[in-house]
Amino acid sequence: NAGVTQTPKFQVLKTGQSMTLQCAQDMNHNSMYWYRQDPGMGLRLIYYSASEGTTDKGEVPNGYNVSRLNKREFSLRLESAAPSQTSVYFCASSERVEKLFFGSGTQLSVL
Amino acid sequence: DQQVKQNSPSLSVQEGRISILNCDYTNSMFDYFLWYKKYPAEGPTFLISISSIKDKNEDGRFTVFLNKSAKHLSLHIVPSQPGDSAVYFCAASDSWGKLQFGAGTQVVVTP
Repeated sequence: NAGVTQTPKFQVLKTGQSMTLQCAQDMNHNSMYWYRQDPGMGLRLIYYSASEGTTDKGEVPNGYNVSRLNKREFSLRLESAAPSQTSVYFCASSERVEKLFFGSGTQLSVL
Repeated sequence: DQQVKQNSPSLSVQEGRISILNCDYTNSMFDYFLWYKKYPAEGPTFLISISSIKDKNEDGRFTVFLNKSAKHLSLHIVPSQPGDSAVYFCAASDSWGKLQFGAGTQVVVTP
């Protein structure tokens, strides 16, 4: 039972490079989310998708784009990475808006 | 400005004793509160929740208390076990269903 799968688990980028974080869930959930976790800041919402075909900005969307490819997949793209985007990124999905199921995270370092 | 605050970044407790984790919030529109638990290199997992119409919810060794007038909630773990060593995040949801997370409290249960 995979749940929420994120790839890659680790990534190192140089400033200005681009990359896409992939996320897929097999629980048939309508809602999907991207969070970042920084020390002392907790988890902050970057973007979310309430259903297939819709996306909305969260608390910290600047520098990111997302695509809800289908009901299962929700990707996060960094077009031009900056050191401030060094963080741990979590994808999550839910059926009930409060009870989220998280992936295991992507550790991203931007040099 | 963080609307959910966990002012204790860490807590050390002896095995068998009670762990008490605290959380304060500022937004009176929050109507649902949750605790998530996170082990290293894993995503957060849902632990327990409480609706704003209640003041207590219990699930096994875990009890969450809500004091709406003080905008304060707490998580009690009794008795604490070594497997409870983790980071605990408090979260609150508004009527739109978006979660705000606290910064987390690292709990260490010692033998």
